[in-house]
Amino acid sequence: EAGVVQSPRYKIIEKKQPVAFWCNPISGHNTLYWYLQNLGQGPELLIRYENEEAVDDSQLPKDRFSAERLKGVDSTLKIQPAELGDSAVYLCASSRVGGRTDTQYFGPGTRLTVL
Amino acid sequence: SQELEQSPQSLIVQEGKNLTINCTSSKTLYGLYWYKQKYGEGLIFLMMLQKGGEEKSHEKITAKLDEKKQQSSLHITASQPSHAGIYLCGAARNRDDKIIFGKGTRLHILP
Repeated sequence: EAGVVQSPRYKIIEKKQPVAFWCNPISGHNTLYWYLQNLGQGPELLIRYENEEAVDDSQLPKDRFSAERLKGVDSTLKIQPAELGDSAVYLCASSRVGGRTDTQYFGPGTRLTVL
Repeated sequence: SQELEQSPQSLIVQEGKNLTINCTSSKTLYGLYWYKQKYGEGLIFLMMLQKGGEEKSHEKITAKLDEKKQQSSLHITASQPSHAGIYLCGAARNRDDKIIFGKGTRLHILP
């Protein structure tokens, strides 16, 4: 069974540019999560999807961040415009069913560097 | 807000030695997760503990959750270079709560 796939693995952009990250969850997993991980810190939840619905986006900075999961499978996280402080690793995770404490399986992450 | 404290922050161990990593919460937990993260990569699920006093093992790694469900320990027996990485605990206070992660413990294994 394939794991969570993320692309790109690395991205370097200049500040004020837009950037997008893509995630394909494990097949059959209805719940998808986007996390932000700063250096030396644990992951912090940005948004959680149950199928197509964003059920928890309270930690997503909506002035510059947006996300979508149109068909309830793949998801895209976008930042526009990027700021220096957005440099971090963006992790995608998925779990089989709803309920926030179901075991989450993580992708390799996208390391973003904003210059 | 719920916080998880991990100790130690970093650990250097000679190959073959045993070690223990701790994760402590000030509040009773619904579930406690242990993940391992290789530098620059995603998190690999190790174990989940949910019942007070529960203990689980996988190969040379054993995790325990105390009776009060506020502290968990991860014990590695006869450490190997493949055990090196960052160990993260994550937990939620109830089934509908999001998972909060600790800052991680960085484990280095000396050959």
